[in-house]
Amino acid sequence: GQQLNQSPQSMFIQEGEDVSMNCTSSSIFNTWLWYKQDPGEGPVLLIALYKAGELTSNGRLTAQFGITRKDSFLNISASIPSDVGIYFCAGRGGGTASKLTFGTGTRLQVTL
Amino acid sequence: DGGITQSPKYLFRKEGQNVTLSCEQNLNHDAMYWYRQDPGQGLRLIYYSQIVNDFQKGDIAEGYSVSREKKESFPLTVTSAQKNPTAFYLCASSGTGKAEQYFGPGTRLTVT
Repeated sequence: GQQLNQSPQSMFIQEGEDVSMNCTSSSIFNTWLWYKQDPGEGPVLLIALYKAGELTSNGRLTAQFGITRKDSFLNISASIPSDVGIYFCAGRGGGTASKLTFGTGTRLQVTL
Repeated sequence: DGGITQSPKYLFRKEGQNVTLSCEQNLNHDAMYWYRQDPGQGLRLIYYSQIVNDFQKGDIAEGYSVSREKKESFPLTVTSAQKNPTAFYLCASSGTGKAEQYFGPGTRLTVT
């Protein structure tokens, strides 16, 4: 099955820095979701996006639904140590019922 | 508290044995899913069920079986036919027609 391309694959940043990551698809999606996974745990839903161009925030996190409907972006402002983890994007197209397609993940590590 | 539970957290089996992983949810969700995650990889869909007594194969169903006799429960059996069963297994659920999936804490299966 298809997996979405996430970039970058991993990143080391310093505490207080802003972070940007993106997710691209060869298919159009109607919904984009962003999850965070801590080591050994299940992913936790951070943000859901439903319309092209939509910009949604959750605390220090902001995500955008790309206008082409083939990409999405996640920004984290003023990173803190607990932001460490793997961030996954997921998309759902119109004809795939409730199935999601997941990205390959961006591993974030924050140094003090 | 509403949520998804998976048990056990860690499971060890000998090669050639079937093993069943438990997934229960009290969110009143109609749809449930099983994913497999290998180290450093994204999530791959094994099976999903949109309603009681019905389920469909995902991208990597070979060597696995499921049942959906109750709305709350969606157990996954890893059979001896699965060539590389050692992995982290995640269960998720979603409301009818909703894209957002909510995950359990996962079960790490090790087969030796």
